[in-house]
Amino acid sequence: NAGVTQTPKFRVLKTGQSMTLLCAQDMNHEYMYWYRQDPGMGLRLIHYSVGEGTTAKGEVPDGYNVSRLKKQNFLLGLESAAPSQTSVYFCASSYPLNEAFFGQGTRLTVV
Amino acid sequence: KNQVEQSPQSLIILEGKNCTLQCNYTVSPFSNLRWYKQDTGRGPVSLTIMTFSENTKSNGRYTATLDADTKQSSLHITASQLSDSASYICVVSALAGANNLFFGTGTRLTVIP
Repeated sequence: NAGVTQTPKFRVLKTGQSMTLLCAQDMNHEYMYWYRQDPGMGLRLIHYSVGEGTTAKGEVPDGYNVSRLKKQNFLLGLESAAPSQTSVYFCASSYPLNEAFFGQGTRLTVV
Repeated sequence: KNQVEQSPQSLIILEGKNCTLQCNYTVSPFSNLRWYKQDTGRGPVSLTIMTFSENTKSNGRYTATLDADTKQSSLHITASQLSDSASYICVVSALAGANNLFFGTGTRLTVIP
């Protein structure tokens, strides 16, 4: 089992560019999440999904969009990147009320 | 407001020594509490889970405690090793909703030889 796989692992964007981060899980989990982690702060929830075709906003959703067209995939999009979106992004998946399994992270720098 | 606070923010100890990390929370209604270990450049990995009825749980050299009355948890690391150098994150789950995970900011542990 690969668990939770994120692509890409690193990316540098120019301000205003767009990109999509891909998260794939092979554990048949219902729930999937996107977090960002910044120095000195805990993981903050951007968006989450409780099942295929459903998404919901988390704590810091502005500037991001998501889609969950297939149960195993959860995509995070940045429409117009800003320097404030420089961060490490983590995807996670879980069964309801169970352990969340995290991907390796994507380090994004917006210049 | 649901919050999770950890202390200390950072800690440096000598290899072989013990240490204790603290977690206080105000999450309600409480479901469970997990300690995660996050190595540099990696995603967090669960070490232990504590439910309401559990006071102590061990995983090798890691021992977690929970006092549900005072809403406090601790993670004790015995005979530390260089590989214990990492961030340790306390995560508290509320009973309801998918948006139910509350994260502490973590304790950065550095073990030096």
